[in-house]
Amino acid sequence: AQRVTQPEKLLSVFKGAPVELKCNYSYSGSPELFWYVQYSRQRLQLLLRHISRESIKGFTADLNKGETSFHLKKPFAQEEDSAMYYCALLWGSGNTGKLIFGQGTTLQVKP
Amino acid sequence: SQTIHQWPATLVQPVGSPLSLECTVEGTSNPNLYWYRQAAGRGLQLLFYSVGIGQISSEVPQNLSASRPQDRQFILSSKKLLLSDSGFYLCAWSGSGNTIYFGEGSWLTVV
Repeated sequence: AQRVTQPEKLLSVFKGAPVELKCNYSYSGSPELFWYVQYSRQRLQLLLRHISRESIKGFTADLNKGETSFHLKKPFAQEEDSAMYYCALLWGSGNTGKLIFGQGTTLQVKP
Repeated sequence: SQTIHQWPATLVQPVGSPLSLECTVEGTSNPNLYWYRQAAGRGLQLLFYSVGIGQISSEVPQNLSASRPQDRQFILSSKKLLLSDSGFYLCAWSGSGNTIYFGEGSWLTVV
């Protein structure tokens, strides 16, 4: 069955420290993965998607099919990165795909 | 540009009362529409999705139902609310690009 696992509910780091938010998935097909972020009092929004291979706000995520992982990384955390982060897997194909989310990780960046 | 609206933003309802949460999308046609629930400690759970008018898929058995009376309107309903229905409900839409866009959410407290 399709599944997304984020093992950490809360990750607390100091400003300037490296950050890695873990995400593992289970999917028999070719996965399309995303990271969504929800800042305080804002709506959930797309942060990045693996097919774009881009860096957004200093964050990157590499799809590792061998380890079935899509960890989100940033070398130097900033206080404004504090938010709830969700890893998501697109299941299905074409125009009928559904997004399955992990349980989310709250990132707390302390000054 | 596309926008998504959902209402009401907050709702306090007694057990056994009915529920209606409404969501509309503007600026696009024939979107995929979704209802998610964000319950405490459980992350984001897909409840319903729809690929067209009158076409609803339910992801989990529950006390809720969804309807899509118009192309860009998606309604979440219940005839009799349970305490366990409390949570944060998110409407979302996607087009051909597979990115999902979320509404601002509706807080439901069943008392």
